Amino acid sequence: AQSVAQPEDQVNVAEGNPLTVKCTYSVSGNPYLFWYVQYPNRGLQFLLKYITGDNLVKGSYGFEAEFNKSQTSFHLKKPSALVSDSALYFCAVRSTSGTYKYIFGTGTRLKVLA
Amino acid sequence: KAGVTQTPRYLIKTRGQQVTLSCSPISGHRSVSWYQQTPGQGLQFLFEYFSETQRNKGNFPGRFSGRQFSNSRSEMNVSTLELGDSALYLCASSLGEGQGISPLHFGNGTRLTVT
Repeated sequence: AQSVAQPEDQVNVAEGNPLTVKCTYSVSGNPYLFWYVQYPNRGLQFLLKYITGDNLVKGSYGFEAEFNKSQTSFHLKKPSALVSDSALYFCAVRSTSGTYKYIFGTGTRLKVLA
Repeated sequence: KAGVTQTPRYLIKTRGQQVTLSCSPISGHRSVSWYQQTPGQGLQFLFEYFSETQRNKGNFPGRFSGRQFSNSRSEMNVSTLELGDSALYLCASSLGEGQGISPLHFGNGTRLTVT
């Protein structure tokens, strides 16, 4: 069965510091991996995806994520955090075989402190 | 291009009633998925439709149902509402298979409150 774990409910980081939001996954076969961000009272916005190829994926708003197959992880990173990055972040996985179902983690609230 | 539109934005219903939520996908998108979002539970998958056919279903009781029309618009119905059904219901659309792995595009959701 597919699953996604986001081990941290909340991450606090000072503005200007690098940030990491962790995600690990379990899926049969190879994964498609995604990061989404949610601002208050809004739907989720797509940030980036890993399909195949380079393990470092670059996305919107300066975010990037590193795919690590041996550790089954797909951590979200940004070199320098902004206060406006404060939001709820979701990792999602979809198997490359069979089902078209996307499974989301429980979300990590990122708080960037001025 | 217009985004995913969900109506209504807010609903207040009483236990035992039923409710219908509507979702209009991005033009050209043939896949529509529905998710329930509650604090602490994240996003729980309800079902996914592609070309009017339900392709996937999550682990929700039969009170939750959906359908997709020929223009790809989708509706979700919840019958015999319970207090625990209070949540943000999100609809997402994507191109669907055969056109690469397109990400999900979400609407702003319908906030359902059951009293």
